[in-house]
Amino acid sequence: VLTQSPATLSLSPGERANVSCRASHSLGIYLAWYQQKPGQAPRLLIYDASNRATGIPARFSGSGSGTDFTLTISSLEPEDFAVYYCQQCNSWPRGTFGQGTKLEIK
Amino acid sequence: EVQLVESGGGLVKPGESLRLSCIGSGFTFLDYSMNWVRQAPGKGLEWVSSISGSDVKFYADSVQGRFTISRDNAKNSLYLQMNNLRAEDTAIYYCARDTNALDVWGQGTTVTISS
Repeated sequence: VLTQSPATLSLSPGERANVSCRASHSLGIYLAWYQQKPGQAPRLLIYDASNRATGIPARFSGSGSGTDFTLTISSLEPEDFAVYYCQQCNSWPRGTFGQGTKLEIK
Repeated sequence: EVQLVESGGGLVKPGESLRLSCIGSGFTFLDYSMNWVRQAPGKGLEWVSSISGSDVKFYADSVQGRFTISRDNAKNSLYLQMNNLRAEDTAIYYCARDTNALDVWGQGTTVTISS
């Protein structure tokens, strides 16, 4: 089970965002983060806990290992307001996603 | 350009069947495991099924016994046969390529189950 917090995060452009994902068992470094905007498919942001996917801006970073992981957006741009999901990737099939964190404009 | 395109969604009645398709392009399809992920209206992402390049298959408990995943590598295609559909299967269905995460997603196809 993956538990994300908070469920909703209200921030302003330029602020720093931190989204947490806690796993019920150790995942090593094998956790991914996805971004989903309204009406769009999810997009891979981070894999293996801290590696940015192709084309992902440097303001997105991931950290953590074991059971506790964090997605950080260093300085929010208007296009970053979206829903973020984590997913375990330490086994195949990948399976469970976290329940999602909605990042909204304050 | 690496791309996935789903098709086959629609409106059907409870108990009926649908077959979803996903065509991949811009990459060597047979080299990758593939997935179906769905999203019910206003809800989060739910993993549905996965298939490896060697045809090993897994299903979520919610669809086990009703859905069948398959692939045709010669046609660069992934399929999801959905039988005995229920109202709770209403969702957007995405196919996604699997590397060390789900790195490429299609745009989704909408399935609506309603009498």
